[in-house]
Amino acid sequence: DTGVSQNPRHKITKRGQNVTFRCDPISEHNRLYWYRQTLGQGPEFLTYFQNEAQLEKSRLLSDRFSAERPKGSFSTLEIQRTEQGDSAMYLCASSLGLGGGDYSNQPQHFGDGTRLSIL
Amino acid sequence: DQQVKQNSPSLSVQEGRISILNCDYTNSMFDYFLWYKKYPAEGPTFLISISSIKDKNEDGRFTVFLNKSAKHLSLHIVPSQPGDSAVYFCAASGGNTPLVFGKGTRLSVIA
Repeated sequence: DTGVSQNPRHKITKRGQNVTFRCDPISEHNRLYWYRQTLGQGPEFLTYFQNEAQLEKSRLLSDRFSAERPKGSFSTLEIQRTEQGDSAMYLCASSLGLGGGDYSNQPQHFGDGTRLSIL
Repeated sequence: DQQVKQNSPSLSVQEGRISILNCDYTNSMFDYFLWYKKYPAEGPTFLISISSIKDKNEDGRFTVFLNKSAKHLSLHIVPSQPGDSAVYFCAASGGNTPLVFGKGTRLSVIA
């Protein structure tokens, strides 16, 4: 049983550089979510996809953040012109979705995250 | 404005006893509630969930109770084991509100 896979596990970069993270969801899951988690906090929702459609992106932290899921399978999260405050754990999750735009009552399953450190 | 609150940052319990983790929420639109467990350097692992049409859901040693009138839920672990030591997150969603997490409670089960 393959779970949610995230790459890389760690990313260290200099301020101002662009970074891209990849998420491979559980194969039969049509919904994919991105979260950010900082120290002492719970995961914070950023965006989600149902198949290839991005149904919610208003909670992305700034216009430097963008996400794609071009074929409805894997997804990428890009942060442009990174800042010190972007240092965090970025988590991906997937779930079954029953259609429609609401958040269906299916549990989300998380990957182990990508830890981003900005120097 | 925290919609999901876990007021106890930490909890210590002896092995074999009951662990009770608490969670309060403010958004009356929430209709689905979950508990996740997180070990260091790993992502959150789904434990158990409950829909707002129920007031109790049980899965092995884990039971979640929901009190809608008090906007309160709790997770009971019986009996507690050392491997249960982790950070536990309460989460809730509903309608157009995506999953919202509390800040977590660190459970330590002492042998």
